[in-house]
Amino acid sequence: NAGVTQTPKFQVLKTGQSMTLQCAQDMNHNSMYWYRQDPGMGLRLIYYSASEGTTDKGEVPNGYNVSRLNKREFSLRLESAAPSQTSVYFCASSSRVGSAKTFSNQPQHFGDGTRLSIL
Amino acid sequence: GDSVTQMEGPVTLSEEAFLTINCTYTATGYPSLFWYVQYPGEGLQLLLKATKADDKGSNKGFEATYRKETTSFHLEKGSVQVSDSAVYFCALSDRNTGGFKTIFGAGTRLFVKA
Repeated sequence: NAGVTQTPKFQVLKTGQSMTLQCAQDMNHNSMYWYRQDPGMGLRLIYYSASEGTTDKGEVPNGYNVSRLNKREFSLRLESAAPSQTSVYFCASSSRVGSAKTFSNQPQHFGDGTRLSIL
Repeated sequence: GDSVTQMEGPVTLSEEAFLTINCTYTATGYPSLFWYVQYPGEGLQLLLKATKADDKGSNKGFEATYRKETTSFHLEKGSVQVSDSAVYFCALSDRNTGGFKTIFGAGTRLFVKA
């Protein structure tokens, strides 16, 4: 069971270049997320998709776009990379069952991350 | 808004020592609380959770009790091992935001020496 798979694992870009980070999950989860992890700041939510066909902004959405391609896949795009976007990016998914109360009890399942450096 | 504060690291312990990592939270609603662990080169994985006041979450010898009166969820383990070396994140998920926005603490790095 692969869980959440992210590609690529590492990437170096030049300022102004674009790229798409890919994420796929095989757990039949409804909800998917993109986070960035920076030293001393924990994880910050970039975008999330509560269910197939919907996407919403998180805490730090500027400079990013997302696509929920289908139930399994949720991609993150950097249209014009900037050095401030150097970070480790994590995709996560979770099951959405029942009410908001029960849903909030569900843990998130994470991929192994993409380490992105922008020069 | 909701927030999570956890003790700064790194925390360095000898094998078999007692571990406490402090975590406090603020939330306007009724949060569920989590501890996640991150091993080098990997993503976060759930360690334990508690969904209401006075619940105790436990897993792999780790424990944490949801204390509403002190808004805390401290992580404890009676005897740590070298293999417990990792970064630990406290987190909350508030049903008032539909559970979609999990708030993470900054993480506490633990080193365990043999």
